[in-house]
Amino acid sequence: QQQVKQSPQSLIVQKGGISIINCAYENTAFDYFPWYQQFPGKGPALLIAIRPDVSEKKEGRFTISFNKSAKQFSLHIMDSQPGDSATYFCALGAGRRALTFGSGTRLQVQP
Amino acid sequence: GAVVSQHPSRVICKSGTSVKIECRSLDFQATTMFWYRQFPKQSLMLMATSNEGSKATYEQGVEKDKFLINHASLTLSTLTVTSAHPEDSSFYICSAIVPRQGYGYTFGSGTRLTVV
Repeated sequence: QQQVKQSPQSLIVQKGGISIINCAYENTAFDYFPWYQQFPGKGPALLIAIRPDVSEKKEGRFTISFNKSAKQFSLHIMDSQPGDSATYFCALGAGRRALTFGSGTRLQVQP
Repeated sequence: GAVVSQHPSRVICKSGTSVKIECRSLDFQATTMFWYRQFPKQSLMLMATSNEGSKATYEQGVEKDKFLINHASLTLSTLTVTSAHPEDSSFYICSAIVPRQGYGYTFGSGTRLTVV
């Protein structure tokens, strides 16, 4: 059973544009919602994370929007750059258990 | 801070041999370590959870006799792939819970295993 659905599978954005990736989940027990960036051959690196007591969190060009009632959260990358080209994963965390990852989104930012 | 050092980054081994992957927490004590496997263009799939000083808990479908996990200290966890076969070729990644306000996770840089 897929606990988190991530979309789109791939995304092409022009330099300077906004990249938006979405995740939806079912189980309300989750209390930690991070986004990870992964480059080929590297481990995932935390970009930004949010907990369910806030609806939005911004760090630099990266913003998480969280809709608790809809059980959805999204990553917005403002002013996307070619260096942002990578695979992005949303994840779900609960009570110090292992994270459950989304299926990933391959982002390509064209110069 | 909160760095997990994973070695080796790449390893090629012959079919039937064993390979050990190490993950060390450099600046914190990792009481819990997670091991993931990632096939090309796929997501990270949890293999097992290890707690310092106790037996690892394996996910359904993961052979515990094939993927031996040892977490003998608060700073070191190892994954040994025994009698490796080509289908074990994958990207293996460790992760640890970071003890801080609330909690967070840090990941190793991954090990690319190729079995020939």
